[in-house]
Amino acid sequence: AQSVAQPEDQVNVAEGNPLTVKCTYSVSGNPYLFWYVQYPNRGLQFLLKYITGDNLVKGSYGFEAEFNKSQTSFHLKKPSALVSDSALYFCAVRENTGGFKTIFGAGTRLFVKA
Amino acid sequence: DARVTQTPRDKVTEMGQEVTMRCQPILGHNTVFWYRQTMMQGLELLAYFRNRAPLDDSGMPKDRFSAEMPDATLATLKIQPSEPRDSAVYFCASGSGTGLGYEQYFGPGTRLTVT
Repeated sequence: AQSVAQPEDQVNVAEGNPLTVKCTYSVSGNPYLFWYVQYPNRGLQFLLKYITGDNLVKGSYGFEAEFNKSQTSFHLKKPSALVSDSALYFCAVRENTGGFKTIFGAGTRLFVKA
Repeated sequence: DARVTQTPRDKVTEMGQEVTMRCQPILGHNTVFWYRQTMMQGLELLAYFRNRAPLDDSGMPKDRFSAEMPDATLATLKIQPSEPRDSAVYFCASGSGTGLGYEQYFGPGTRLTVT
């Protein structure tokens, strides 16, 4: 069965500094990996996804993520953090064994300090 | 700008009452999901449908929860009878695609409080 782990409950970073939000996964087949962001009192919003191809995926709002098959990781990154990036970030995985179920991580709260 | 809509946005009810939450997926999306979010459990998948057919509802308490898609534009989640432990934010999400690489679009959620 697929699973996803976000080892950090919270990440703190100063505005202008690079940020990384970590995600590791476990699947039986090839993974489909996603990052979503949730702002207060809102639904989740899609940021980016990895399906196949280039290991570095670029997404919305300047975010990118790096797929590492050997480490089974899919870390979210941004070169320069903004205060407005402060939110709850979810990593999700779907495996290509015929099902459509998506498993979400517990979420990582990102605080960007001015 | 196509969006998933959910009604009601907030619901306060007493224990034992029936609660019905509604979702209108994005037109043309063929997969619909129901999630529940709480501080303790995070985001839990309750059920999902593809082309209106239920594929998996193993995340739902079967004795009190039910999910249906009467037509392609409406998904419902019912709780009967409701209990205080059902208090949570319930999200509907929809997606489109024949493969597995599609992203999900989430509605704004229904905040349920059972007293």
